Amino acid sequence: SQQGEEDPQALSIQEGENATMNCSYKTSINNLQWYRQNSGRGLVHLILIRSNEREKHSGRLRVTLDTSKKSSSLLITASRAADTASYFCATDLTYDKVIFGPGTSLSVIP
Amino acid sequence: DADVTQTPRNRITKTGKRIMLECSQTKGHDRMYWYRQDPGLGLQLIYYSFDVKDINKGEISDGYSVSRQAQAKFSLSLESAIPNQTALYFCATRASGYAGELFFGEGSRLTVL
Repeated sequence: SQQGEEDPQALSIQEGENATMNCSYKTSINNLQWYRQNSGRGLVHLILIRSNEREKHSGRLRVTLDTSKKSSSLLITASRAADTASYFCATDLTYDKVIFGPGTSLSVIP
Repeated sequence: DADVTQTPRNRITKTGKRIMLECSQTKGHDRMYWYRQDPGLGLQLIYYSFDVKDINKGEISDGYSVSRQAQAKFSLSLESAIPNQTALYFCATRASGYAGELFFGEGSRLTVL
């Protein structure tokens, strides 16, 4: 089974609404990262949160990390149609081995 | 020009053929990675390299081999391709010294008939 698991697998919302995606992982991590992928394209880094941080913001993105529950959440506020993409969490098991979850497919309906 | 370039972008081949996917980067990063993506399964790590002399197996290395020809080049080979290796393959790089973001290429779509 994979180190990281995103929930839900798919999410459909109206433009302007908030989107929340969750990630759970199994082992201790150094940091957790979130990436975005537009259909069939390369992944783009969104935000990184270190194991000693609990919350981080970047523009319309807010990431939380709960190491006691081995979970993270990504909140996208005031979603736009252009936010339609797949979102992946990635856990840094060491400083060089990065493992990805299966992703959440987000559809934002105009 | 892209910082991380993968070639070919698309390849169709037959079972049993040897295939090489190439990755080159201009970011000057020491760490390079090969991932495979199948629909609904996210990315699985195949191999990763700390530098030219340091290569490590990832989650799914069976059936694959790699070569780090230089700091900037990391190639993935399928010695005898099989249909279940049909997937989208990504190369990524990362700077050494701290746990930062990965930079991805645009992917190589491989179809094995």
